Amino acid sequence: EAQVTQNPRYLITVTGKKLTVTCSQNMNHEYMSWYRQDPGLGLRQIYYSMNVEVTDKGDVPEGYKVSRKEKRNFPLILESPSPNQTSLYFCASSLYTSGRPNEQFFGPGTRLTVL
Amino acid sequence: GENVGLHLPTLSVQEGDNSIINCAYSNSASDYFIWYKQESGKGPQFIIDIRSNMDKRQGQRVTVLLNKTVKHLSLQIAATQPGDSAVYFCAENGGSNYKLTFGKGTLLTVNP
Repeated sequence: EAQVTQNPRYLITVTGKKLTVTCSQNMNHEYMSWYRQDPGLGLRQIYYSMNVEVTDKGDVPEGYKVSRKEKRNFPLILESPSPNQTSLYFCASSLYTSGRPNEQFFGPGTRLTVL
Repeated sequence: GENVGLHLPTLSVQEGDNSIINCAYSNSASDYFIWYKQESGKGPQFIIDIRSNMDKRQGQRVTVLLNKTVKHLSLQIAATQPGDSAVYFCAENGGSNYKLTFGKGTLLTVNP
């Protein structure tokens, strides 16, 4: 089954404790992206990657890191989480045609709470 | 900065009626637009997309209209069903970047 998986689905942590949210897709997509979703603010892009070893900042990259060592995986790293990073996080992937991401497939989301 | 927004945050319709969800965008360089549906507790799901060389595209019970003159996008859902109840987002991509920018969403409620 074609899908995007995220782990963990739920996480409660404390300020300053490094964490990683994993994302994996089995569709051989070039483009992968991380979003956070907050009430009243919709979906905001954190980082995206056009292919292996190619990443770039989205609209809200502060406090986050990503890596793309393999095509299928795109982990989101919070080196020192803070309460304002409490949010619902989505990973997405898509094919890449004519320099544009196509239809994006989203993972089920990760609910992160930073105390 | 450039952003994508929605005219109406909530929309309530009767089952069987047609629904129209609107979206305004400000980036005149945007050339690709997508509508997503997000049901409670789930990730966004692709509905339909349209490129700027088109002004209308139809899918199964859905139609997207693009008016580049006034930078307006709409999603029409025919014969709305209770299963259509969800938050709908428009998103745009354009210019020289590879980012997708989402609107804040419209909550569609279908009354039986």
